[in-house]
Amino acid sequence: SYELTQPLSVSVALGQTARITCGGNNFGSKHVHWYQQKPGQAPVLVIYRDSNRPSGIPERFSGSNSGSTATLTITSAHAGDEADYYCQVWDSSTVVFGGGTRLTVL
Amino acid sequence: QVQLQESGPGLVKPSETLSLTCSVSGYSISSGYYWGWIRQPPGKGLEWIGSMYHSGQSYYKSSLRSRVSISVDTSKNQFSLKLSSVTAADTATYYCARMYYSDTTGYYPHFEYWGQGTLVTVSS
Repeated sequence: SYELTQPLSVSVALGQTARITCGGNNFGSKHVHWYQQKPGQAPVLVIYRDSNRPSGIPERFSGSNSGSTATLTITSAHAGDEADYYCQVWDSSTVVFGGGTRLTVL
Repeated sequence: QVQLQESGPGLVKPSETLSLTCSVSGYSISSGYYWGWIRQPPGKGLEWIGSMYHSGQSYYKSSLRSRVSISVDTSKNQFSLKLSSVTAADTATYYCARMYYSDTTGYYPHFEYWGQGTLVTVSS
């Protein structure tokens, strides 16, 4: 089955830029979506189709897909951005989630 | 505003069937979209279970397919999950969600709206 690889944790200083990566085989043909999940809450879609922001998501959140790796970038990180982030793709009629990355804002 | 709310027993005995319902407000299920279930064991990541269109087209995670059934009740604007022969490994918070599937440019399944989740514990 298809697998997505994310770093377990990423740390960023308050106000700096955080980058969370997501990798998988034949990534270039897939579109990546990103979710933010704060403790005790349901996930929230923050980026869809590689680089699109749903309404209500701050412009500080952006996404890219280079073909081998997808990246979620959070500029000017806030304390409130501390959360788990999951990437997700569609492969062989199956939804696949990455294992998740814990973002810590220092 | 689309809202989803899960409901069902919080405790299920091993070998029995887990049954959950998701009530949707702010959107008519029969109007379109896929409707899905995702679960998250305590302290772990997200696991997709399956998704169904209102007309019956469905997709399931292969490792769960033999135990899972998702159904849609358009008259009640609800959809349901049944997971049979549960074990402790099925203990998780279960989320229902609306899944965007495709447009004229391609397929981009992702989950736009989520319920708050409900914890189901499998224990005797």
